[in-house]
Amino acid sequence: GESVGLHLPTLSVQEGDNSIINCAYSNSASDYFIWYKQESGKGPQFIIDIRSNMDKRQGQRVTVLLNKTVKHLSLQIAATQPGDSAVYFCAEGSARQLTFGSGTQLTVLP
Amino acid sequence: KAGVTQTPRYLIKTRGQQVTLSCSPISGHRSVSWYQQTPGQGLQFLFEYFSETQRNKGNFPGRFSGRQFSNSRSEMNVSTLELGDSALYLCASSRGDIVAEAFFGQGTRLTVV
Repeated sequence: GESVGLHLPTLSVQEGDNSIINCAYSNSASDYFIWYKQESGKGPQFIIDIRSNMDKRQGQRVTVLLNKTVKHLSLQIAATQPGDSAVYFCAEGSARQLTFGSGTQLTVLP
Repeated sequence: KAGVTQTPRYLIKTRGQQVTLSCSPISGHRSVSWYQQTPGQGLQFLFEYFSETQRNKGNFPGRFSGRQFSNSRSEMNVSTLELGDSALYLCASSRGDIVAEAFFGQGTRLTVV
C-alpha cells in the first residue's frame, strides 16, 4: 500500500549546525506534504508544508525541499538549537487525511 | 486563540470496557480528525469529520467510532477495549478546505489493563 517513510530513525547534530531530515514517499498523487515536530508529552506541531506543484518553500529557519522525480522530501533546519530536539514526522496529505512517516528523533548536542 | 483541547489527558480502563474521548477544535475550525499513535505503528488515521459528517475513515475495526456536534466538537468512542488499544489518541482540527494545516491537541493517553 501507499506509505511514507523516513531514511534515518535518529539524527544528532551540534548546536549551531544545520540539520537535514529526509523522508521518502510513495504516493505520487499526494497534494501536499507537511512536516511536524513532536516534543515529549505533546501533540505534533505543524512546522511547514509544501504543495505538490512546488519544489521549495522557506519558513523561519526551516526549508522544505520536494523532489517529485525521486519522491523525496527533506526538512532543513538552520542553526539548530537545543529547543529543536524532538521527533520530526513527515506526512502526506490527500483525501482529507494525513499519512505519517515513522519519525526521526533529532538530538541537539551542546 | 485557544488551541485544540482534548479531555481527559489520561485514562486507565479495563479490557472489555468502553471509553469516550472528547476534542474541542480551534474556534472557526470545522474539520476534526482523529489519530492513534503507538510506538509500533506510529501515527495512524482513524477518521475525519466536517460539519457533523464523517468524510473519511481509516482502517480500524468498527469498535472505533466517532461523531461531531454542531459546534464542531467531536468525540470518539472505543468499545470492548483490548490491550492493543493502549495508545495516545490525538485530535487535529483544520479550517476544513484542506487538512494540511492541521493543528493537534496534546492527546489523550489511554491505557488498557
